[in-house]
Amino acid sequence: KAGVTQTPRYLIKTRGQQVTLSCSPISGHRSVSWYQQTPGQGLQFLFEYFSETQRNKGNFPGRFSGRQFSNSRSEMNVSTLELGDSALYLCASSQGPRTSNQPQHFGDGTRLSIL
Amino acid sequence: SQELEQSPQSLIVQEGKNLTINCTSSKTLYGLYWYKQKYGEGLIFLMMLQKGGEEKSHEKITAKLDEKKQQSSLHITASQPSHAGIYLCGAGATGNQFYFGTGTSLTVIP
Repeated sequence: KAGVTQTPRYLIKTRGQQVTLSCSPISGHRSVSWYQQTPGQGLQFLFEYFSETQRNKGNFPGRFSGRQFSNSRSEMNVSTLELGDSALYLCASSQGPRTSNQPQHFGDGTRLSIL
Repeated sequence: SQELEQSPQSLIVQEGKNLTINCTSSKTLYGLYWYKQKYGEGLIFLMMLQKGGEEKSHEKITAKLDEKKQQSSLHITASQPSHAGIYLCGAGATGNQFYFGTGTSLTVIP
């Protein structure tokens, strides 16, 4: 069974640009969650999508948005990029919602660098 | 404030030594998960504990959840260089919340 796939693996952008990251969950998983990981803040929750609906949202500005398609694939968009957005963005999928006592399985992440 | 506190923050051990990492919450946890992360990569799921007093083992790694479900420990027996990485605990909480711990960086010296 293929794992969670995130593309691209690395991305370099400049301030003010926008970026779209993609996540393909494990087959049969309906929940996709996105996290931002930085050395200073650790792993921070961005949002969760379950059956194409945003189920939960973390404490991030509106520049961060996402969506989920009918095949459970998800995209995350960040507009008007800032230097502080440089981070490893991780996607995780699970069969049920992430608080349903089913483990989340993570992709290898997208390393986003803002110049 | 951190919902899940891990200790120690970092650990350096000689190969073959045993070690323990702790994960503590001030609230009752609903499902406790342990993950391992290599630098710059995703998290690898290790184990899930749900019931107070539960203990699970996989190869040389054992995890326990205390009776009150507010603390978990991860114990590695006879550590090897392949055990090196960052260990994170994660747990569900009320209000559809899910939290990750602060992480413990483990270095194993051959």
